[in-house]
Amino acid sequence: AQSVTQLDSQVPVFEEAPVELRCNYSSSVSVYLFWYVQYPNQGLQLLLKYLSGSTLVKGINGFEAEFNKSQTSFHLRKPSVHISDTAEYFCAVSGANTGGFKTIFGAGTRLFVKA
Amino acid sequence: SQTIHQWPATLVQPVGSPLSLECTVEGTSNPNLYWYRQAAGRGLQLLFYSVGIGQISSEVPQNLSASRPQDRQFILSSKKLLLSDSGFYLCAWGPGGPGNEQFFGPGTRLTVL
Repeated sequence: AQSVTQLDSQVPVFEEAPVELRCNYSSSVSVYLFWYVQYPNQGLQLLLKYLSGSTLVKGINGFEAEFNKSQTSFHLRKPSVHISDTAEYFCAVSGANTGGFKTIFGAGTRLFVKA
Repeated sequence: SQTIHQWPATLVQPVGSPLSLECTVEGTSNPNLYWYRQAAGRGLQLLFYSVGIGQISSEVPQNLSASRPQDRQFILSSKKLLLSDSGFYLCAWGPGGPGNEQFFGPGTRLTVL
C-alpha cells in the first residue's frame, strides 16, 4: 500500500531564513504528489502539485518542491520564510496504488517561524 | 466557483449522545466527497468517501457512519459518541481522478466530554 512519510514533525526557523520540509513516499508506479497547508483551525489548501514534466514545481506564497524519483522524495522549500508561514504542512500522494479516488496524507510538519 | 460548507463550526457533546455533521458543496456536480478526522497532533485519517449518491466506502471501522442523500450533500453521523471521537472533522470534495487535488471545508471542532 502507498504511504507518505514526513520526516520532521516540527520545524522551528527564524524569519527570513530558508526552510526545507521533507517528504518521502513509497511507490513503484506513477504517482501524483501534493503539498497542502493548514492554518490554525482551518481546512487544508493546496500549495502545489506535481503531475508530470519538470521536476521543480512552483506553488503559491513563494514555495517550491522538487520531485526526485530515484529517492522517492518530494521536499518542500522556501528561500525566505515569513511569520505568516507558520502553519502545518501536509505532503500527499495519489495514484494507482491509492485506490484511484483516494489521497494518502502524511502526518504533517508543523512549521514555526520565529521573529 | 465552487464552495464547500460545513456546520456546525464547533460542537461540544456528552459521551453517548448522537452526532450529525453536515457538508454541502456548491458550484459543481457529481463530486467525490470525503470525510477526514484530524486528532490533536496527528495527521488526516480518511473516514469515508463517496463517488455518488448513496455510495459510501468506509475506511476505518468505528461507531461513525456516513450518508450521501443528495449529490452535493455528505453527512457524518454517530448514534453514540465516544471520548475518542473528539477531533477536527474535515469534509473535502474532488473532481475525481488521481491527479486532481481535493478542496477542503473549514472543518468542525468536536469535543466529546
